[in-house]
Amino acid sequence: QKEVEQNSGPLSVPEGAIASLNCTYSDRGSQSFFWYRQYSGKSPELIMSIYSNGDKEDGRFTAQLNKASQYVSLLIRDSQPSDSATYLCAVVLMDSNYQLIWGAGTKLIIKP
Amino acid sequence: DVKVTQSSRYLVKRTGEKVFLECVQDMDHENMFWYRQDPGLGLRLIYFSYDVKMKEKGDIPEGYSVSREKKERFSLILESASTNQTSMYLCASSRDGTDTQYFGPGTRLTVL
Repeated sequence: QKEVEQNSGPLSVPEGAIASLNCTYSDRGSQSFFWYRQYSGKSPELIMSIYSNGDKEDGRFTAQLNKASQYVSLLIRDSQPSDSATYLCAVVLMDSNYQLIWGAGTKLIIKP
Repeated sequence: DVKVTQSSRYLVKRTGEKVFLECVQDMDHENMFWYRQDPGLGLRLIYFSYDVKMKEKGDIPEGYSVSREKKERFSLILESASTNQTSMYLCASSRDGTDTQYFGPGTRLTVL
């Protein structure tokens, strides 16, 4: 059973602090990794994709990938109340060209 | 920008009715997907299509069928709606199997 696991939260972070979201996956051959943000009642929207080991930065967001340890994380610097949402981790299976395996999501709450 | 549209934002149907949910994408994407999302269960893949007239079952295809007669359009059909099909239905498309999936706004279906 291919799995992607996330802590469901809620994760509460003070405004201005760094929010750290983590995701582990079971398929060692996975090559593509995505972080999506989903506001309540809305559809998921892509935050970042990452394909290589290491860090990838985009504004206040940094994705970190460690294939040896099979985890991917998302850091949000200078957290804002508007960052309050559920963050979904998704991984492409190595043996499928089409399917993303989704984590259940971590609910993030930024407290003013 | 990729745009994925869904035919309805909210839909109320009665048990036993045939229900059509339609999804259209404007970016000439090869792959299209139908998910349902329920609290605590995350995103679950119902069906996907990697080409016109091609379809593959996802994790929960029972009670659903799909149609893809044109590249831009992917329809989800509930042959005989049941109350346990009350859910948020999300359509997505992607350029290829390892690429980002872009989501439509979702259809919240209630079956009475």
